[in-house]
Amino acid sequence: EVQLVESGGGLVKPGGSLRLSCAASGFTFSSYSMNWVRQAPGKGLEWVSSISSSSSYIYYADSVKGRFTISRDNAKNSLYLQMNSLRAEDTAVYYCARASSGWKNWFDPWGQGTLVTVSS
Amino acid sequence: EIVMTQSPATLSVSPGERATLSCRASQSVSSNLAWYQQKPGQAPRLLIYGASTRATGIPARFSGSGSGTEFTLTISSLQSEDFAVYYCQQYNNWPLYSFGQGTKLEIK
Repeated sequence: EVQLVESGGGLVKPGGSLRLSCAASGFTFSSYSMNWVRQAPGKGLEWVSSISSSSSYIYYADSVKGRFTISRDNAKNSLYLQMNSLRAEDTAVYYCARASSGWKNWFDPWGQGTLVTVSS
Repeated sequence: EIVMTQSPATLSVSPGERATLSCRASQSVSSNLAWYQQKPGQAPRLLIYGASTRATGIPARFSGSGSGTEFTLTISSLQSEDFAVYYCQQYNNWPLYSFGQGTKLEIK
């Protein structure tokens, strides 16, 4: 069974840092691009960042560029999101999601999400 | 940036009836459009990709249509488990993916 399990969320003060992890299983992790998507409380979905299978291509939404860093460890079947200079508007559930094969991707499956709360 | 607009924001339909949800793109996305279902407290689940191809395990009552800027998700006969929030996503403007704001499908 294909599975994605996020961890690392929690309460952090504005300006603080947090590192999210996503553990993948049930598929050849090193063959797929991966993504982070977030959802603020009661709001819709917002794409955050993407990383290609070999980490050669990395992209960010403008809202997080310069503050967040996506990375992966194919040997550990893991995806990461380092979040620095956190703001109240970064409060959200963060999902990792596998991209479909190829260059234009839908997302399937998604992990269960991890909640990040930025508050003093 | 491609803006995705879904309508209506909330749709009230009785079980057994048909539901039609709309998604409009601010510029053409060809057929590079996906639909997701999200239930409270759960992650989104892929329903449709390529505008009209059902994902694995998705019942035949779900169908997608459209291309360019206008898309529709139709649920032919609503079951109790179908009441949820539905999102469209364009992936034509890769990697600047964007989602609609969602349509909440509620029981009438």
